[in-house]
Amino acid sequence: TQLLEQSPQFLSIQEGENLTVYCNSSSVFSSLQWYRQEPGEGPVLLVTVVTGGEVKKLKRLTFQFGDARKDSSLHITAAQPGDTGLYLCAGDYNNNDMRFGAGTRLTVKP
Amino acid sequence: DTGVSQDPRHKITKRGQNVTFRCDPISEHNRLYWYRQTLGQGPEFLTYFQNEAQLEKSRLLSDRFSAERPKGSFSTLEIQRTEQGDSAMYLCASSSHLVGQFFGPGTRLTVL
Repeated sequence: TQLLEQSPQFLSIQEGENLTVYCNSSSVFSSLQWYRQEPGEGPVLLVTVVTGGEVKKLKRLTFQFGDARKDSSLHITAAQPGDTGLYLCAGDYNNNDMRFGAGTRLTVKP
Repeated sequence: DTGVSQDPRHKITKRGQNVTFRCDPISEHNRLYWYRQTLGQGPEFLTYFQNEAQLEKSRLLSDRFSAERPKGSFSTLEIQRTEQGDSAMYLCASSSHLVGQFFGPGTRLTVL
């Protein structure tokens, strides 16, 4: 059983559409990270959120950390083909015991 | 510094052989992590170093696996008597406190 559940598992959309992916857990995390991974490469850090209720924006990407620090969401506005990839969330479960979700595989079609 | 590097990028070995992977972290990061990732899954935590001290090991890390970070800089992960189930991407990451982890490109191991 994954400590972090990500949904949806797969998402295929057209260029220009908006989307939201979710990361949920029953555990409280001291911090949570979002990563994007492309085939054959390591994950690339997008953002770290630390405070409950925190919202961070990175260009067209908006990240939110739940008030209780158990869940997070990633919203992409006007998706582009370059956004295609595996989006992973990871929680700092027990002071450096990092746990990853299984990821959401996003495909943006031109 | 160009980030975290891993060597080799790919390794094909026969079952029963030993393999060793190397990770060079970002120089100012004192924390180093090893993960294993299989197809369709997120990375699974294997072990964690702070400087040269190995502070945590996952239950996934059987007796055939050993990791070292002798001088608090680079790290090695050795797998002895490899099995087909060891085939995976082995990822190394480094970090400083609460800024998230920076991953290397991984070493893809195939055990025939």
